[in-house]
Amino acid sequence: SYELTQPPSVSVSPGQTASITCSGDKLGDKYACWYQQKPGQSPVLVIYQDSKRPSGIPERFSGSNSGNTATLTIGGTQAMDEADYYCQAWDSNTVVFGGGTKLTVL
Amino acid sequence: QVQLVQSGAEVKKPGASVKVSCKASGYTFTSYDINWVRQATGQGLEWMGRMNPNSGITVSAQNFQGRVAMTRNTPISTAYMELSSLRSEDTAIYYCCTGSTSAFDYWGQGTLVTVSS
Repeated sequence: SYELTQPPSVSVSPGQTASITCSGDKLGDKYACWYQQKPGQSPVLVIYQDSKRPSGIPERFSGSNSGNTATLTIGGTQAMDEADYYCQAWDSNTVVFGGGTKLTVL
Repeated sequence: QVQLVQSGAEVKKPGASVKVSCKASGYTFTSYDINWVRQATGQGLEWMGRMNPNSGITVSAQNFQGRVAMTRNTPISTAYMELSSLRSEDTAIYYCCTGSTSAFDYWGQGTLVTVSS
């Protein structure tokens, strides 16, 4: 079965750029999306179709997807961005999630 | 605005079944698939399957095949997910979600299902 691999944790200083990767076989041939989840809350879509931002998502969130890796980038990271982030893609008509990355804003 | 409102928390014994509902509003219920995702405490997101509310056709993740049933009541814009033969490992928050693209724009608030003897 298809797998998506994320680093368990990423740390960033306030105001700096955070990058979270998501790796999968030929992931660049699929659409990747990203969700943010804060404790006790439902996931929120922050990037879809590799690089598009839903309405209401700040411009500091951006995404890319090429080769075997999709990347979520948060520019000028703020304390409120501290959360778990999950990548997601479709494979053979089924949904696959990455294991999640805990972003810590130090 | 689009809303997905789920039923309340459940406590079940091992071997029993649970049925979670997801009431949609703010859009045409039959326009988008309803997906089900679960999350055990402290763990990641796990996709369970999806249902086309128009046709009723479902696709289940391999891990849940034979144990999950997804249905709908179109006149009341409500989808259901029933999981049978419950075991302690099924203790989790269960979410319904939907969206117009390949991603899930909208999520329910989650339903905690606890399996305990």
